[in-house]
Amino acid sequence: SQTIHQWPATLVQPVGSPLSLECTVEGTSNPNLYWYRQAAGRGLQLLFYSIGIDQISSEVPQNLSASRPQDRQFILSSKKLLLSDSGFYLCAWSVQGSHGQYFGPGTRLTVT
Amino acid sequence: SQQGEEDPQALSIQEGENATMNCSYKTSINNLQWYRQNSGRGLVHLILIRSNEREKHSGRLRVTLDTSKKSSSLLITASRAADTASYFCATDAWETSGSRLTFGEGTQLTVNP
Repeated sequence: SQTIHQWPATLVQPVGSPLSLECTVEGTSNPNLYWYRQAAGRGLQLLFYSIGIDQISSEVPQNLSASRPQDRQFILSSKKLLLSDSGFYLCAWSVQGSHGQYFGPGTRLTVT
Repeated sequence: SQQGEEDPQALSIQEGENATMNCSYKTSINNLQWYRQNSGRGLVHLILIRSNEREKHSGRLRVTLDTSKKSSSLLITASRAADTASYFCATDAWETSGSRLTFGEGTQLTVNP
């Protein structure tokens, strides 16, 4: 069966520090991968999606970036965090050509 | 931008009652999906309804879709305290490479025992 992992679960970082969040998927090949951000009490905002290694689309211009160094690994990064980067970050995957998405447990990021 | 808009924003009912949540959207869609999120957790896919379908059932869930009104509803019958969660609709701007979802703001459902 397929599983998706995200880490860390929670993170507190000072303004201006770098960020690296990791997501890995097991049990499937060539998945579509997604990064979302969710503000408290709000819906999800799509940040990045990837249909393959080194094929990443950015949805929202900001100080975040994403990389996919391996087929089932998706990394969200920032060189310098802003207070507005605080939120709940969710990674998700879907099968190529399918329509439902499967979400990881999320990372709660607080920028102080 | 958020396309789906759910209403109500919050709903509180008693166990055993039915819960109905609505979603409206603005552009043409390939399909519409409903997700559930327990507090502080990831989202769980509940049900998908395609643009050429009008109604779909899954257990205690019933979803309807009216593409002429660009709206959908999620009905949870015989609710349980464990149904307490946030429910999101998401429209799929499907591309040949896979799904791209646009989420609404969600409905917070509280089922009181």
